[in-house]
Amino acid sequence: GENVEQHPSTLSVQEGDSAVIKCTYSDSASNYFPWYKQELGKRPQLIIDIRSNVGEKKDQRIAVTLNKTAKHFSLHITETQPEDSAVYFCAASNGNAGNMLTFGGGTRLMVKP
Amino acid sequence: AAGVIQSPRHLIKEKRETATLKCYPIPRHDTVYWYQQGPGQDPQFLISFYEKMQSDKGSIPDRFSAQQFSDYHSELNMSSLELGDSALYFCASSPPGLAGNKQYFGPGTRLTVT
Repeated sequence: GENVEQHPSTLSVQEGDSAVIKCTYSDSASNYFPWYKQELGKRPQLIIDIRSNVGEKKDQRIAVTLNKTAKHFSLHITETQPEDSAVYFCAASNGNAGNMLTFGGGTRLMVKP
Repeated sequence: AAGVIQSPRHLIKEKRETATLKCYPIPRHDTVYWYQQGPGQDPQFLISFYEKMQSDKGSIPDRFSAQQFSDYHSELNMSSLELGDSALYFCASSPPGLAGNKQYFGPGTRLTVT
C-alpha cells in the first residue's frame, strides 16, 4: 500500500517568514495530493490540492508543488501569520471516488508574532 | 454552506459496550469515508462507501461494521469496545464527478472508552 512520509514534524517560523513542508509518497499510482490544516481538537480542513497532471498550484499565500518523478510534493506558505499555526497533513490517493487518503505524519507549524 | 454532520459529538462508553456513530454527508455528496485519529496521530482510514456500496477498506477491526443508507447517511457500529478504541472518529464526504476525490471532514465524534 501507499506510504507517505512528511517532514519536518515541527516547524517554528517568525511571522512574515515563509514555511515549507515536504512529503514523499511510495505508490506511483497515486495521482491526487491534498493538504489539510488541523487545529487542536478540530476537523482537518482541506486547504489546497493538486493532481498529478499539474506541477504547481497556487492559492493566495499557499502553493503546492509536485515532482512525480521523484514522488515528492511540498506545501509553501508565504507571509505567515499567527493564525497559520496548526498541524498540517499531506495526503495521497489514487483519486477515485471512495478511495482512501493516506496521510503523512503531520507537521506542527508555530508562527511566532 | 452546509457541512458534514456527525453525531454524537462526544461519547463515553465502558469496555465491552457497543457504540454507533452517525454521519450525514454534505447534501448531494454520494461518498462517505470514516477515519480514526488517535492523540497526536494522523487520521487512519477505516472504510468508505460510494453510492451505498462499500468502496475501500482500511484498517477497520472486525469488531466494527459500517453501512451507507439510501439517504446517503452512514453509521459506524463498534462492538466489544476496547480502551484502545478511544479516539476521534471523523467522517468525510465527497461529491460526485470530477471533484469526487475532494474529501470534506465533519467535526468528529470523540469516543472515550473507560
